[in-house]
Amino acid sequence: DVKVTQSSRYLVKRTGEKVFLECVQDMDHENMFWYRQDPGLGLRLIYFSYDVKMKEKGDIPEGYSVSREKKERFSLILESASTNQTSMYLCAAAGATQETQYFGPGTRLLVL
Amino acid sequence: ILNVEQSPQSLHVQEGDSTNFTCSFPSSNFYALHWYRWETAKSPEALFVMTLNGDEKKKGRISATLNTKEGYSYLYIKGSQPEDSATYLCAFMTGGSYIPTFGRGTSLIVHP
Repeated sequence: DVKVTQSSRYLVKRTGEKVFLECVQDMDHENMFWYRQDPGLGLRLIYFSYDVKMKEKGDIPEGYSVSREKKERFSLILESASTNQTSMYLCAAAGATQETQYFGPGTRLLVL
Repeated sequence: ILNVEQSPQSLHVQEGDSTNFTCSFPSSNFYALHWYRWETAKSPEALFVMTLNGDEKKKGRISATLNTKEGYSYLYIKGSQPEDSATYLCAFMTGGSYIPTFGRGTSLIVHP
């Protein structure tokens, strides 16, 4: 089974701080994704990456950036955290042929 | 942005009841439909991936059907148990894309 881990389960940050959310997968999958989940809105795609150093914007990329320097690691960066970025953040990985997404446990971020 | 709708938004049933809910998606350019179960404090996990019109999948008491011509999938749970309580997500994929579009989910609560 693919295992996807995220660096923190809970984070509290202040407005204006730079925030790093790390995601690591152990099954050599090409595709990695960052979502946020808010009540009543479902999973919304922020960014995805289909290869090392490759990234594409999802539906809601504003205020976020990503980094994929190694195949197993996909980082989400909030350059200057704002209160409207308080949310649950989920990372996922998927193989090129499988497409089933394997999710991490999520990071619940609170921006004060 | 593709329109993927799930209904109902939430559902309360008694232990032993059978239940079903719906995922509606565009009927054109269909590639795959995924169902995930997301229990509180856990990662979403894959239940089924369905690719052919008329597909029926089953895992224990949970089953799913697919109608790609009319653009819907049903998820059935027979004899619901409290451990079935979760949010059930569907994710629609079009041909040529590995990016799923998620519905907002159906929250199921099974009361003992």
